[in-house]
Amino acid sequence: DIQLTQSPSFLSASVGDRVTITCRASQDISSYLAWYQQKPGKAPKLLIYSASTLQSGVPSRFSGRGSGTEFTLTISSLQPEDFATYSCQRLNRYPISFGQGTRLEMK
Amino acid sequence: QLQESGPGLVKPSQTLSLTCTVSGGPINGGDYYWNWIRQPAGKGLEWIGRVYTSGNTYYHPAFSSRVTISIDTSNSQFSLKLTSVTAADTAVYYCARGTGRLNFDPWGQGSLVTVSS
Repeated sequence: DIQLTQSPSFLSASVGDRVTITCRASQDISSYLAWYQQKPGKAPKLLIYSASTLQSGVPSRFSGRGSGTEFTLTISSLQPEDFATYSCQRLNRYPISFGQGTRLEMK
Repeated sequence: QLQESGPGLVKPSQTLSLTCTVSGGPINGGDYYWNWIRQPAGKGLEWIGRVYTSGNTYYHPAFSSRVTISIDTSNSQFSLKLTSVTAADTAVYYCARGTGRLNFDPWGQGSLVTVSS
């Protein structure tokens, strides 16, 4: 199976900060990568797909880049509602898998 | 919208059964497939498997010996059955719609299933 490894696993930041989360694939997955935001007790919410396409309704402070084996999710200026867990997902082939998650907490 | 339903408590060695009801659009519209995903407390998301409206399924190898996913297009529902459960199967179970190799969206709210005697 192709593994996804996110870094860091935990991130402490302040409102207004620019933060970047990395997702690395153990093999080339082209651009078949999505990013999700999850808040406690809630279902994941789609933010970005095809590595860099912003889902409708998602604020433009979220952006995604990358292809192949290295991908990033960047939040340009953290807002209070952005403190959550972020997970990447690869959909290039079966079995579909997710990264282990990055927990973003307020400093 | 997607909504999971089913028992919240299952005894060890028994079968976990959940149903996902799809509303707000036809289950057999578009190039979609229908997924089950689970999340043990404090851990990451685990994809279990998917079904197309044709009935074609694909299961994660980690679950393939114990899982069955089926679809009932007439009632806009798809279901998960996981046999021989243990405490390790305790998790929040989500259903979600998949679109090609793009994404999962939307998701159900999740259903907590606890395996305990």
